[in-house]
Amino acid sequence: AQSVTQLDSHVSVSEGTPVLLRCNYSSSYSPSLFWYVQHPNKGLQLLLKYTSAATLVKGINGFEAEFKKSETSFHLTKPSAHMSDAAEYFCVVSVLAGNMLTFGGGTRLMVKP
Amino acid sequence: EAGVAQSPRYKIIEKRQSVAFWCNPISGHATLYWYQQILGQGPKLLIQFQNNGVVDDSQLPKDRFSAERLKGVDSTLKIQPAKLEDSAVYLCASSLGRGTGIGELFFGEGSRLTVL
Repeated sequence: AQSVTQLDSHVSVSEGTPVLLRCNYSSSYSPSLFWYVQHPNKGLQLLLKYTSAATLVKGINGFEAEFKKSETSFHLTKPSAHMSDAAEYFCVVSVLAGNMLTFGGGTRLMVKP
Repeated sequence: EAGVAQSPRYKIIEKRQSVAFWCNPISGHATLYWYQQILGQGPKLLIQFQNNGVVDDSQLPKDRFSAERLKGVDSTLKIQPAKLEDSAVYLCASSLGRGTGIGELFFGEGSRLTVL
């Protein structure tokens, strides 16, 4: 069985400050891990993915995530938040050929001016 | 490249009525998914198709939900009869399902269902 826990349901940062969205996963096999973003009234979009290559993964819009097997974590970071980053972020885990995805509960990122 | 198309965007029905949602995936994508996203929660997989065969429907409430993907292209999700707890956004997604495309899903904008 596989599962993913996003440790914060809401995160609020000021524009220009760092962003940290936390994610822990549970999987019986080597997982593939993803972050998706959902802007209001828009479809979900892939930010980045980890599939057993480099443990530090770079995504779109300056986001990156680091896979830490010892901590079963895949936290999402960005050095400097922008107002346009305000959205819902989902951590996703997949095993067994990578096409069966399990979503976390989501973290709503708010960016203050 | 055209994205995943879904319709209708919004639907309001009364409980015990029926509703159908339509999805047209990105051309060439073999894998199609239907997810249910209840307000404040992450998407939950209802059913996954590979071409026109079902890969996983373990979380589909089969007494009231049905889905089909004829000819391995577009798909329809039906709810009959609807319950209050079916109020949610129904997301359709598609994927190449192989190679570097594994795990990369392309989502439509969703169909928001309100059951009164």
